[in-house]
Amino acid sequence: AQSVTQLDSQVPVFEEAPVELRCNYSSSVSVYLFWYVQYPNQGLQLLLKYLSGSTLVKGINGFEAEFNKSQTSFHLRKPSVHISDTAEYFCAVGGSSNTGKLIFGQGTTLQVKP
Amino acid sequence: DTGVSQNPRHKITKRGQNVTFRCDPISEHNRLYWYRQTLGQGPEFLTYFQNEAQLEKSRLLSDRFSAERPKGSFSTLEIQRTEQGDSAMYLCASSLEGGPGQRTLPLHFGNGTRLTVT
Repeated sequence: AQSVTQLDSQVPVFEEAPVELRCNYSSSVSVYLFWYVQYPNQGLQLLLKYLSGSTLVKGINGFEAEFNKSQTSFHLRKPSVHISDTAEYFCAVGGSSNTGKLIFGQGTTLQVKP
Repeated sequence: DTGVSQNPRHKITKRGQNVTFRCDPISEHNRLYWYRQTLGQGPEFLTYFQNEAQLEKSRLLSDRFSAERPKGSFSTLEIQRTEQGDSAMYLCASSLEGGPGQRTLPLHFGNGTRLTVT
């Protein structure tokens, strides 16, 4: 079975500071990894994805993530955050079957302070 | 590409009533998923369709829940005899199966239907 653990439920950070949101996964098969962002009362928007190839993945809004197979991690980073980045961030894993189904973590609330 | 559309956005109902939600996926997507998200949690998988066939159902989907995708386009999720524990955001997502030897592409989510059972 696959699972995802997001290690921080809330991450407060000041504007223009760097941020890292941590994600660890568990899977016995090859995985696909995703980060989604959710703004209040909205659905989930894809930030970035790892399917194969380069372990450093760049996404929208200046975010990037690094796939580390030995540590089973897929941490999300941004070098300088904006107030508008305040949102809920979800890490997800897929690939255990051909269903395309994703398993999500519990989410990390990023709070950007002025 | 108009995105995934869900209706209604909000639904307030009394315990014991039936409710139905609709999802219109991205037109060329052959896979459609339903997820449930409660406050402070990540989305939990409920069920998915490939074209009109319902291929997997989670144990979270009790017999009060039924989903259909009759023509392989839009889908409906019905909850009968609603309970307060059904209060949640119901999210629909769609994707395009990559075909033999190809990876399934990421899920595209709608804005959800927020259900409140009083």
